[in-house]
Amino acid sequence: SQQGEEDPQALSIQEGENATMNCSYKTSINNLQWYRQNSGRGLVHLILIRSNEREKHSGRLRVTLDTSKKSSSLLITASRAADTASYFCATAENTGFQKLVFGTGTRLLVSP
Amino acid sequence: DGGITQSPKYLFRKEGQNVTLSCEQNLNHDAMYWYRQDPGQGLRLIYYSQIVNDFQKGDIAEGYSVSREKKESFPLTVTSAQKNPTAFYLCASSMPGGSGYNEQFFGPGTRLTVL
Repeated sequence: SQQGEEDPQALSIQEGENATMNCSYKTSINNLQWYRQNSGRGLVHLILIRSNEREKHSGRLRVTLDTSKKSSSLLITASRAADTASYFCATAENTGFQKLVFGTGTRLLVSP
Repeated sequence: DGGITQSPKYLFRKEGQNVTLSCEQNLNHDAMYWYRQDPGQGLRLIYYSQIVNDFQKGDIAEGYSVSREKKESFPLTVTSAQKNPTAFYLCASSMPGGSGYNEQFFGPGTRLTVL
């Protein structure tokens, strides 16, 4: 079963605006990762945040993690048309092999 | 260039046929994975392998088989027992980090269609 649930399912904004996507999960995790997928392509890793971290930045990306609420958010600032893609959160379980469990994704459309 | 390759990009299968999807990596990663992606459902894990000659079932292994005879190769066979094989298949690899396995690197995918 899939652990991550993402919200919203789809998001449409104008270039220059910020985009925020949320992810909720159900069990204890070692880390949470965000990936990007352009249509019909493979996934590209964006950022990883560990369970003992609360916030992480990478360029125009900002990720927060609230383990008490079992939720994470991905903020893309000053969006560009090239940011148009699907974004997935994935949680690594806290025991054993730490398989990744992916959410259903948020489809982001950034219009010029 | 280091990376993961998958072939073919598109594959068409008749009902009742077995097909094998190729996945090769030159990243020297120990772990490899196969995922299935259906529209609106995200990725679901089919099989994974932590090391050569070892693999485990994921969440949806029924109707699929794999082998891991070489570190760089992890082929997936979609058998006739898989009732709904039409999907986008993604292969990935990763290396263990300081406290577990870190990010996964994905191939470009194979789109399988059953005719």
